[in-house]
Amino acid sequence: GAGVSQSPSNKVTEKGKDVELRCDPISGHTALYWYRQSLGQGLEFLIYFQGNSAPDKSGLPSDRFSAERTGGSVSTLTIQRTQQEDSAVYLCASSLAYDRTYEQYFGPGTRLTVT
Amino acid sequence: LAKTTQPISMDSYEGQEVNITCSHNNIATNDYITWYQQFPSQGPRFIIQGYKTKVTNEVASLFIPADRKSSTLSLPRVSLSDTAVYYCLVEGSGDYKLSFGAGTTVTVRA
Repeated sequence: GAGVSQSPSNKVTEKGKDVELRCDPISGHTALYWYRQSLGQGLEFLIYFQGNSAPDKSGLPSDRFSAERTGGSVSTLTIQRTQQEDSAVYLCASSLAYDRTYEQYFGPGTRLTVT
Repeated sequence: LAKTTQPISMDSYEGQEVNITCSHNNIATNDYITWYQQFPSQGPRFIIQGYKTKVTNEVASLFIPADRKSSTLSLPRVSLSDTAVYYCLVEGSGDYKLSFGAGTTVTVRA
């Protein structure tokens, strides 16, 4: 069946511009996660959703980052006034429910480059 | 949040067994240990999860000693396609801030 999809796969933007990254989770998965991976680094957790609700936004790097999820499905991660340090691969994952016993399925990521 | 420590890199040859040990000294009673694999330009992929003793699936085995302060992922008879980064993750109940750490880069040579 269809896995997690993300779009765009690559995004190049100028410093100061806003960007929106999209994640389509696996159908029926109620939990959705956003991570960031900088070059050669491990994954940095940003935020998770259970349904449409994000109980804890403290993982977001700054107030320029926001995320929403509608209809318990698609999620968008928005970065306002992008900075060069925002350049990274943004990964989305989903799982059947928010519980450690359910594995996370990752999408291919969106590579963001801020020039 | 239990932190994990794993070797930065490991080298191996085709057909050998690779064992990656992860330390998690402050693991909590209800935490689970999960391993993920990541190939270049792809998202991580779940390999195995365990709570105690030994877990085996078609891909790997996970050994967890009684004190649970460490765990060892065992990859039997590796091939070139097993070259990847392997992440050890300790997950607790209601633990939103999931941390994958830096992972272990395993390089398999012919």
